[in-house]
Amino acid sequence: TQLLEQSPQFLSIQEGENLTVYCNSSSVFSSLQWYRQEPGEGPVLLVTVVTGGEVKKLKRLTFQFGDARKDSSLHITAAQPGDTGLYLCAGFLRSNDYKLSFGAGTTVTVRA
Amino acid sequence: EAGVTQFPSHSVIEKGQTVTLRCDPISGHDNLYWYRRVMGKEIKFLLHFVKESKQDESGMPNNRFLAERTGGTYSTLKVQPAELEDSGVYFCASSQVLQGAYEQYFGPGTRLTVT
Repeated sequence: TQLLEQSPQFLSIQEGENLTVYCNSSSVFSSLQWYRQEPGEGPVLLVTVVTGGEVKKLKRLTFQFGDARKDSSLHITAAQPGDTGLYLCAGFLRSNDYKLSFGAGTTVTVRA
Repeated sequence: EAGVTQFPSHSVIEKGQTVTLRCDPISGHDNLYWYRRVMGKEIKFLLHFVKESKQDESGMPNNRFLAERTGGTYSTLKVQPAELEDSGVYFCASSQVLQGAYEQYFGPGTRLTVT
């Protein structure tokens, strides 16, 4: 059973447009993380959100953790071709957990 | 500091053959994890080592998979005999700590194709 549902699966936009990726679950997570993966490489951590309602910004990327800690979103403002990649959400169910549960990922393509 | 390395990057084997994947974690990281992504599915946890001890291998698909971490340094994941459904990308990750919102550092993965 997939714990984290990501949507959309694919997203293709023009440079300069905004985009949002969603990560939803029926389970409560202790923390949620967003990764970005390039072809031929492993996932690289972008951000971790821990507190329900938390909002974190990383340059043009904004990450939100839902109040109930069951969902998260990644918003990219004024996307650039360099933002192209596979975005993965993942989370720890418990604070002392070691298993990351992953969503299936969203492939983002930003056209120049 | 070197990141997590994995060898080989690609492996193509025939059904019934044996393959051994290797992972070298970041130096000093006691925690080592194996994950797998099968085509079209999400990355899934396979097992977790603390130093040389297996803490949790609940994600291992079946007894055709054997993971070891002798000496608490590098780890190997052997698949014997390989089946078609074993094809996928096998990721290794390591971490220093195990509490709170910590980071697991991932290697580039080994793409295994069983024909």
